[in-house]
Amino acid sequence: DIQMTQSPSSLSASVGDRVTITCRASQRINSYLNWYQQKPGKAPKLLIFGASTLQSGVPSRFSGSGSGTDFSLTISSLQPEDFATYYCQQSYSTPITFGPGTKVDIK
Amino acid sequence: QVQLVESGGGLVKPGGSLRLSCAASGFTFSDYHMNWIRQAPGKGLEWVSYIATSGGSISYADSVKGRFTISRDNANNSLYLQMNSLRAEDTAVYYCARAMVRFNWFDPWGQGTLVTVSS
Repeated sequence: DIQMTQSPSSLSASVGDRVTITCRASQRINSYLNWYQQKPGKAPKLLIFGASTLQSGVPSRFSGSGSGTDFSLTISSLQPEDFATYYCQQSYSTPITFGPGTKVDIK
Repeated sequence: QVQLVESGGGLVKPGGSLRLSCAASGFTFSDYHMNWIRQAPGKGLEWVSYIATSGGSISYADSVKGRFTISRDNANNSLYLQMNSLRAEDTAVYYCARAMVRFNWFDPWGQGTLVTVSS
């Protein structure tokens, strides 16, 4: 199985901050990496697929990059509605696996 | 609009069974691959099972293989998960989620249904 790790596991930030979350795969997954946002009590929401393609309707302050084993999700200017937990997911091979999540909360 | 609505969760004793349903609307259900993903309380996301558009290809996580059965009814736009021999570690919110191809991103997700396995 491909293991996914994320760092940091949590972070505190202020509105307007630039935030970067990293995700690492235990083996090369090309660009088969997706990012989700989950708010408490809600289902995950797709933000980015294929490592860098923004899902329709997602604000442009979100961006993704990376290929191979190392990936990142950047929020260019954190907004109040962005406080949530973020998960990466590999779709390269079965079983599909997720990272453990990064919780972004208010400083 | 595209919508997935799960149902069938509840409290069940260890060793018991439960059948989850996922009702799809707003899209051509038979054109899409479907998945079940779960999230234990306060924990991360775990992919559980996959079924192809026609049901001809199915896969399971090792943790549920032999105990869970995924199925679909394209005529009624519904996805199912039959869960047998339930264990405490199966306690989770279960989400159904759509995918365009087998190895893919998931979008959208249903709101989830909580399964609690406890005596």
